[in-house]
Amino acid sequence: DAMVIQNPRYQVTQFGKPVTLSCSQTLNHNVMYWYQQKSSQAPKLLFHYYDKDFNNEADTPDNFQSRRPNTSFCFLDIRSPGLGDAAMYLCATSRDRGAGETQYFGPGTRLLVL
Amino acid sequence: GQNIDQPTEMTATEGAIVQINCTYQTSGFNGLFWYQQHAGEAPTFLSYNVLDGLEEKGRFSSFLSRSKGYSYLLLKELQMKDSASYLCAVVNRGSTLGRLYFGRGTQLTVWP
Repeated sequence: DAMVIQNPRYQVTQFGKPVTLSCSQTLNHNVMYWYQQKSSQAPKLLFHYYDKDFNNEADTPDNFQSRRPNTSFCFLDIRSPGLGDAAMYLCATSRDRGAGETQYFGPGTRLLVL
Repeated sequence: GQNIDQPTEMTATEGAIVQINCTYQTSGFNGLFWYQQHAGEAPTFLSYNVLDGLEEKGRFSSFLSRSKGYSYLLLKELQMKDSASYLCAVVNRGSTLGRLYFGRGTQLTVWP
């Protein structure tokens, strides 16, 4: 089945130790998104890629970076995780940009910062 | 700015009907999505409403009133597996991205 895959499902890191979360998709979608979701809160968009074009949200901290080496893969790098970065990180894809394009989510990676 | 409001929690019993409301205040509204999210899992797409009225998909229906800034998700013949968080999200016109603005989600618990 075509899908959005995230690895790992659970990630434990130490305060200040860089960590990378990965996302892959078999949908061949143009757009890939990274969201941060804290407990009982709405998902918050961090950035998205439209093909190779990177788009950062204005309020996304510099501590968060992303790479998309090809259509299928996208990575979220947290350079120096703080305790406040503990959250569920959701990757999503859509066929194209624009109102009405459905976003398809991966299962998420739950990040714990010790 | 965007303001999307939905109840935090709801409970219901198996076989019952439940209505989850979502109100929104946004500039340039285009449409509204409903997603279902089981604990520890990804949100999954349920519906997308652009026009006023009710759209039915099996046990789930979604309603939109653009003039009132209001939507609801109606779940019939509730099953235990329907216990989940239900997220509404709005998307605005003229948005190149089609950025979704999510509510905080309504946690539905279905009791036997």
